[in-house]
Amino acid sequence: AQTVTQSQPEMSVQEAETVTLSCTYDTSESDYYLFWYKQPPSRQMILVIRQEAYKQQNATENRFSVNFQKAAKSFSLKISDSQLGDAAMYFCAYRTPRGGGADGLTFGKGTHLIIQP
Amino acid sequence: EADIYQTPRYLVIGTGKKITLECSQTMGHDKMYWYQQDPGMELHLIHYSYGVNSTEKGDLSSESTVSRIRTEHFPLTLESARPSHTSQYLCASEPRPRGPYTEAFFGQGTRLTVV
Repeated sequence: AQTVTQSQPEMSVQEAETVTLSCTYDTSESDYYLFWYKQPPSRQMILVIRQEAYKQQNATENRFSVNFQKAAKSFSLKISDSQLGDAAMYFCAYRTPRGGGADGLTFGKGTHLIIQP
Repeated sequence: EADIYQTPRYLVIGTGKKITLECSQTMGHDKMYWYQQDPGMELHLIHYSYGVNSTEKGDLSSESTVSRIRTEHFPLTLESARPSHTSQYLCASEPRPRGPYTEAFFGQGTRLTVV
């Protein structure tokens, strides 16, 4: 079974600074997807960024970028120029293309990101 | 924001009551999911559906049941609520993949408290 581990329950960063959230995962699959989802307080969980395992190039979305190390099974999220609106729970998630077994996403426990003004 | 809605947002109910958590999406997605999320914990898949009349149990065993009579609607029912059912329940949907996987869309969640 796949597992996703987020070792940082909480992170704090000054506004406009850069922060990196860590995620490691365990799988025997060679083809899969990795995601970072953001869950603001009392609001919907939304996708921040996704990475296909077969792509060597790290995904970027504006101020958000990932460092995908397939051999190390590591998938960290870097947020540059942090803004107050970035404050939220961030979840790392994994999925195989075909779902396999019980379909759906496998999530980590989340990292609570605090932005200090 | 995604067009997937959950009601109620918050529910406090007594032990032994029957409850139904509603989830509806207007995106025409075939796949729908229910996740359970305890405070400070990861989300766990409890039910999923590939389409009308399709329902499957997820990784986490749950006493709840689901139905999928219409594409847009995926309600979750607890026949007899207990304090151990206190949690947040998140509904999600995905389009049928026609290429590389895209993303799951989530509702705002229902925070259930059983007293």
